[in-house]
Amino acid sequence: NAGVTQTPKFQVLKTGQSMTLQCAQDMNHNSMYWYRQDPGMGLRLIYYSASEGTTDKGEVPNGYNVSRLNKREFSLRLESAAPSQTSVYFCASSESGYEGNYGYTFGSGTRLTVV
Amino acid sequence: DAKTTQPNSMESNEEEPVHLPCNHSTISGTDYIHWYRQLPSQGPEYVIHGLTSNVNNRMASLAIAEDRKSSTLILHRATLRDAAVYYCILRALSNTGNQFYFGTGTSLTVIP
Repeated sequence: NAGVTQTPKFQVLKTGQSMTLQCAQDMNHNSMYWYRQDPGMGLRLIYYSASEGTTDKGEVPNGYNVSRLNKREFSLRLESAAPSQTSVYFCASSESGYEGNYGYTFGSGTRLTVV
Repeated sequence: DAKTTQPNSMESNEEEPVHLPCNHSTISGTDYIHWYRQLPSQGPEYVIHGLTSNVNNRMASLAIAEDRKSSTLILHRATLRDAAVYYCILRALSNTGNQFYFGTGTSLTVIP
């Protein structure tokens, strides 16, 4: 059972470079999420997609864009990387609905360093 | 958004029960209480969730106060593999869907 797969696992970028973090889930979940986690901190929501074809901003969306390519895939793009974006990025998915009775499944993370 | 408050850290001896508290005084009637844990260098992992009644599963038990303003995650016998950061989270509802907002959690140390 693959669950949520994130690629790459590690990446080093130079300031100003761009890159796309990929996320795919095989659980037929409607909702997908991108979080970032800075050292010693909890997770902060960047963007989410409640269903295929929709995306919305979370707590810290500045400097990022997302694409919900299809039901399985949700990508996160850094157009011009900055050192402040050095972090561990987690993708998650869940069933959706206007109730809280669904848990999340997280990927193993992408460790990004911007120098 | 409803937020939670947890102690920054706790310690437990191996094979003893652990009670991890969480306060959520602004919880709404439709918010589910979720617990996740994060092992070092891994993504968060689902532990348990509930609405009003106490819940049990193979990993842990969740005790929810009658007024729902606090809850406790109970690990019945702590093992070294339970050393992790534990997050108590409310599943917040909005018109556009629902999403978790994480705090900094409780870092649990298990002493051999």
